[in-house]
Amino acid sequence: ILNVEQSPQSLHVQEGDSTNFTCSFPSSNFYALHWYRWETAKSPEALFVMTLNGDEKKKGRISATLNTKEGYSYLYIKGSQPEDSAQYLCALRFQGAQKLVFGQGTRLTINP
Amino acid sequence: DGGITQSPKYLFRKEGQNVTLSCEQNLNHDAMYWYRQDPGQGLRLIYYSQIVNDFQKGDIAEGYSVSREKKESFPLTVTSAQKNPTAFYLCASSITGGQPQHFGDGTRLSIL
Repeated sequence: ILNVEQSPQSLHVQEGDSTNFTCSFPSSNFYALHWYRWETAKSPEALFVMTLNGDEKKKGRISATLNTKEGYSYLYIKGSQPEDSAQYLCALRFQGAQKLVFGQGTRLTINP
Repeated sequence: DGGITQSPKYLFRKEGQNVTLSCEQNLNHDAMYWYRQDPGQGLRLIYYSQIVNDFQKGDIAEGYSVSREKKESFPLTVTSAQKNPTAFYLCASSITGGQPQHFGDGTRLSIL
């Protein structure tokens, strides 16, 4: 099983502060990286799909970067708001695979 | 609206019984997936199907079975051979295998 590691497992941030967390993965056989947001009592929703080394994606106050050579992606949230509280999941698609391998997730709590 | 419907939301099973979790999608997606989540862990893949009448084992298929007789339906049976079935089960679909996934709301299974 190819391991996808996310850190930290949980994070508490003050409203208005910016934050970031990491997804690490084996750099060999990389095909694509997905980020999902999973709010409590809802289903996970896709945020970004990234495929190229150096990719940067942005959606409002959330952005992500990708380094396929060293095997990591960062998710950044600028000016955190209470509605950003959620579990953030990273998932990898490796070459030749038609499935995703998920990390354990980072649970983000924004304190008002 | 298009989406994925899982039922029931909560399910209780007596030891030794088989139980079937329903997953239906009207997104016209070819690929469907079943995941299990346990406390403190990420999503682990049980089974997935890339096309009707075909499916593959995921990382934790033992004690589970699936069928894919129709494009829109991918039911999961938790058999009595599954020694620790208490968990949260999520169904997902994607246009084709490995693409961004749309998730249902999940079924929480408990053993009486």
